[in-house]
Amino acid sequence: EAQVTQNPRYLITVTGKKLTVTCSQNMNHEYMSWYRQDPGLGLRQIYYSMNVEVTDKGDVPEGYKVSRKEKRNFPLILESPSPNQTSLYFCASSARGLRGPYEQYFGPGTRLTVT
Amino acid sequence: QKEVEQNSGPLSVPEGAIASLNCTYSDRGSQSFFWYRQYSGKSPELIMFIYSNGDKEDGRFTAQLNKASQYVSLLIRDSQPSDSATYLCAVNIVGGTSYGKLTFGQGTILTVHP
Repeated sequence: EAQVTQNPRYLITVTGKKLTVTCSQNMNHEYMSWYRQDPGLGLRQIYYSMNVEVTDKGDVPEGYKVSRKEKRNFPLILESPSPNQTSLYFCASSARGLRGPYEQYFGPGTRLTVT
Repeated sequence: QKEVEQNSGPLSVPEGAIASLNCTYSDRGSQSFFWYRQYSGKSPELIMFIYSNGDKEDGRFTAQLNKASQYVSLLIRDSQPSDSATYLCAVNIVGGTSYGKLTFGQGTILTVHP
């Protein structure tokens, strides 16, 4: 089954404690992306990756890191989480076309709470 | 001005009516346009994408793009209660360092009442 998986699905942590949210896809997609979703603000792109070792900033990259060492995985790293990073996080992947990413498949989401 | 703007609604229509959702964008370099639907507590799922000016139809859904006026819309014909969800407009800019950058609007909440 084609899918994007994220782990963990729920996480409560404390300020400053480093954490990683994993994302994996089994569709051999070149393009992967991370978003956060907050009430009233919609989905905002954090980072995206066009292929292995190629990443770029989205609209809200501050406080986050990513890496793309393998095609299937795109982890999101919060080196020193703060309460304003409490949010619902989605990972997505798609094939890459001439005009940019095609249809994105979204993971189930990770609800992060930073106290 | 936000890069992608949608009327947050809520938009309420009776069952069987046409629901019209609108989205405007600020960057004339935008190339690809997507409509996603998101049910409460779920992940977004793609409804339609459109690249060229004009209309694109898929079943009960029609996407309309007008690059000169910088808007894209989604029409849902014969609306059903199961169409009740948040509809997200997304715009992709191609070129330069922003290739792959995708900007979403804040979403329009649609309610279809029986």
